[in-house]
Amino acid sequence: EAGVTQSPRYAVLQEGQAVSFWCDPISGHDTLYWYQQPRDQGPQLLVYFRDEAVIDNSQLPSDRFSAVRPKGTNSTLKIQSAKQGDTATYLCASSFWDRGDTEVFFGKGTRLTVV
Amino acid sequence: GQGVEQPDNLMSVEGTFARVNCTYSTSGFNGLSWYQQREGHAPVFLSYVVLDGLKDSGHFSTFLSRSNGYSYLLLTELQIKDSASYLCVRNNYAQGLTFGLGTRVSVFP
Repeated sequence: EAGVTQSPRYAVLQEGQAVSFWCDPISGHDTLYWYQQPRDQGPQLLVYFRDEAVIDNSQLPSDRFSAVRPKGTNSTLKIQSAKQGDTATYLCASSFWDRGDTEVFFGKGTRLTVV
Repeated sequence: GQGVEQPDNLMSVEGTFARVNCTYSTSGFNGLSWYQQREGHAPVFLSYVVLDGLKDSGHFSTFLSRSNGYSYLLLTELQIKDSASYLCVRNNYAQGLTFGLGTRVSVFP
């Protein structure tokens, strides 16, 4: 069974540039999460979806970050006008909603550096 | 992580044990998970507990006390390869998963 797939694996930007991250969850998983993990910290939830619906995006900086999952499968996280503080690894994860998040599967992440 | 607290670091010796403590906010609690994360890799699921007591999974065991908002992950017969960060994660149906900052466990010969 294929795991959660993310691309790109790495990205280096200058401040003010835009970038998009792509995630393909495990087939059949209805719940998809985007996390931001700064170096030496635990993952911090940005947004999560059940199917195509946003369940919680309260931690997503809405002025520069956006996330969509239009068909309830793949998802894209976009950063407009990146800042140095956005430097982190961006993790996508998926699970079955009905299992109450008992096990969440993570992709390998995209390591973003903003200079 | 807001609402989930765990120590930053823990050192132990190969062949012994390490206990990673975690305290969490009990509001809206729906279970607690533990993940292992090696440097440069994604977190990997270890265990999920929702009932009080000790859950023995062999090399990894987990304990939960819901009334105290406390859990621990016990690693026995430590090996060098157990050196990693261990993340305590509180589950809440409304808020999703809340991760602690992680405890970096270092196992020495």
